[in-house]
Amino acid sequence: DGGITQSPKYLFRKEGQNVTLSCEQNLNHDAMYWYRQDPGQGLRLIYYSQIVNDFQKGDIAEGYSVSREKKESFPLTVTSAQKNPTAFYLCASSIYPLAWNEQFFGPGTRLTVL
Amino acid sequence: EDQVTQSPEALRLQEGESSSLNCSYTVSGLRGLFWYRQDPGKGPEFLFTLYSAGEEKEKERLKATLTKKESFLHITAPKPEDSATYLCAVQAKTETSGSRLTFGEGTQLTVNP
Repeated sequence: DGGITQSPKYLFRKEGQNVTLSCEQNLNHDAMYWYRQDPGQGLRLIYYSQIVNDFQKGDIAEGYSVSREKKESFPLTVTSAQKNPTAFYLCASSIYPLAWNEQFFGPGTRLTVL
Repeated sequence: EDQVTQSPEALRLQEGESSSLNCSYTVSGLRGLFWYRQDPGKGPEFLFTLYSAGEEKEKERLKATLTKKESFLHITAPKPEDSATYLCAVQAKTETSGSRLTFGEGTQLTVNP
């Protein structure tokens, strides 16, 4: 089955620690995205990548970092510089350069800072 | 700056009671408007893409329409399983925006049996 996988489903972090969230897709999509969702709110874009070895900051990139070394993988690191990292993190992908195609989402990772 | 506003924030319906959700948008040239459904604790599920004013799309009890300033998601004779949060998003045509989407905050729909 083609799709997007995110791991882990739940993640707990102590303050001051960096953590990495995994996102893998086997849809052969060029573009990948990371969003953050807080309770009762819509999705806010953290980073996105339209081709391998290239990525751009979204609206709330501070305290986060990404890499795109392979087409199918787009890991997100939440660093200790992120002041309020507790949230639901969603990864998505879409076909590019047909950029108006819809984005497909993974199941999400819920990060809690203890 | 692209903006998306969804209303109402929450909507309670009785089973079979039809209604509409609204998505108002401001964007510098619309490339596409997207509707998603999100169940609690899960990733959004794609429903529709609309590209130009006057366009309509249907799927089961859902029908999405688009004007130059807003989109409506009409729900006809809803069932309890239609309960979810419905998200609207826009994609702009500007060169700097790439393929990114701007999301609204969603409408939480509850359908009571």
